[in-house]
Amino acid sequence: AQSVTQPDIHITVSEGASLELRCNYSYGATPYLFWYVQSPGQGLQLLLKYFSGDTLVQGIKGFEAEFKRSQSSFNLRKPSVHWSDAAEYFCAVGARLAGGSYIPTFGRGTSLIVHP
Amino acid sequence: EAQVTQNPRYLITVTGKKLTVTCSQNMNHEYMSWYRQDPGLGLRQIYYSMNVEVTDKGDVPEGYKVSRKEKRNFPLILESPSPNQTSLYFCASISLGSTDTQYFGPGTRLTVL
Repeated sequence: AQSVTQPDIHITVSEGASLELRCNYSYGATPYLFWYVQSPGQGLQLLLKYFSGDTLVQGIKGFEAEFKRSQSSFNLRKPSVHWSDAAEYFCAVGARLAGGSYIPTFGRGTSLIVHP
Repeated sequence: EAQVTQNPRYLITVTGKKLTVTCSQNMNHEYMSWYRQDPGLGLRQIYYSMNVEVTDKGDVPEGYKVSRKEKRNFPLILESPSPNQTSLYFCASISLGSTDTQYFGPGTRLTVL
C-alpha cells in the first residue's frame, strides 16, 4: 500500500527566505504525487501535481516540486516566502481507481510559520 | 460552477444525538468520498463510493455510515456521535477515468460534547 511521510511537523522561516518542505513516499509503481495547501479555516487547494514527464513541476503561487525517484522524494520549494504562505501543507501520493483516476493518500502535514 | 457543497459548515452537538452531514456535487462524478482531518494526522478516508448504491470502507469507518442513493449526493451519518468524532470533515468527488484531480468541499467542523 502507498504511504507518505512528511518528516517535519512544523517549519519556521522568515519572510523572503527560501523554503523547502520534505516529502517521502512509498509506492510500488510510478507514483502520482500531489501537494495541497490549507490556509487557516479554509479547505484544501491543489498546489501542483506530478503524473509523468519533467521531474520539476511548477505550481500555483510560485511553488515548485521536484520528483526524485532514487530518493522516493517529492519536495516542495519556493524561492522567497511571503507572509500569506503561512498554512498547512500536505503531500499526497495517488491511489489508482478504476478507469485511471487517482485519489490522494495524504501525509500528516507540515505547518509553515512565517516570521516577518 | 463546478463545486462540492457540504452542510452544515459548523455543527456542535451532544453525545448520542444522531446527525447527518450532507454532501452534494454538480459534476456528475461517479466517485465520492469522505475524509476526516485531525491535527498531526492529516486527512484520513472514512468511506467512499464508486457509484450509486456502491459504497465501501476507507481507513477509519468505525462510527460512521454513508449512503449513495443518487449520484450527486453522499451524506455522512453519525448515528451515535462521540467526542472522539470531533473533527473537520471533507467531502470530495472525482470523475472515474479522468486525469483531473479530486474536488474537495469546503469542510464541516463538527464538535461533539
